Amino acid sequence: EAQVTQNPRYLITVTGKKLTVTCSQNMNHEYMSWYRQDPGLGLRQIYYSMNVEVTDKGDVPEGYKVSRKEKRNFPLILESPSPNQTSLYFCASSLSGQPGQPQHFGDGTRLSIL
Amino acid sequence: GENVEQHPSTLSVQEGDSAVIKCTYSDSASNYFPWYKQELGKRPQLIIDIRSNVGEKKDQRIAVTLNKTAKHFSLHITETQPEDSAVYFCAASPYTGRRALTFGSGTRLQVQP
Repeated sequence: EAQVTQNPRYLITVTGKKLTVTCSQNMNHEYMSWYRQDPGLGLRQIYYSMNVEVTDKGDVPEGYKVSRKEKRNFPLILESPSPNQTSLYFCASSLSGQPGQPQHFGDGTRLSIL
Repeated sequence: GENVEQHPSTLSVQEGDSAVIKCTYSDSASNYFPWYKQELGKRPQLIIDIRSNVGEKKDQRIAVTLNKTAKHFSLHITETQPEDSAVYFCAASPYTGRRALTFGSGTRLQVQP
């Protein structure tokens, strides 16, 4: 089954404790992206990757890191999480980053930073 | 960069009525406009999309219209049903494609039985 898989689905942690949210897709998609969703703000892009070893900042990259060492994986790293990063996070992928490519979303990861 | 505004933020209709959600975008070079539906606790899912060379597209009870001159596009849902209740997001794709989608802030649609 074609899918985007995120882990963990839920995480409660404390300020400053490094964490990684994994994202994996099995569709051989070139483009992958991370969004955060906050009430009233919609989905805002954090980072995206056009292909292996090619990553770039989205609209809200502060406090986050990503890597794209393999085509299927695109982990999101919070080196020193803070309470304002409490949010619902979605990973998405599409065949390429060109306009007109439908994006497939994972099930989301709800992070709570205390 | 692209900026997408979406209205209304909440919409309540009676079952069987029509619902319309409107979005405007800022980048005249955007050429792809998808709509996503997100049910409570679920992932956003693509329900319909339109490209800039088309003015209207229909899929059963849903339709999307695009006015490139005015830079706005709308989602129309006819004969609404309780299962249409969800948050709907519009999005626009910048010409460069480097940031594939910029989303609107969402509309919470509630269909009253």
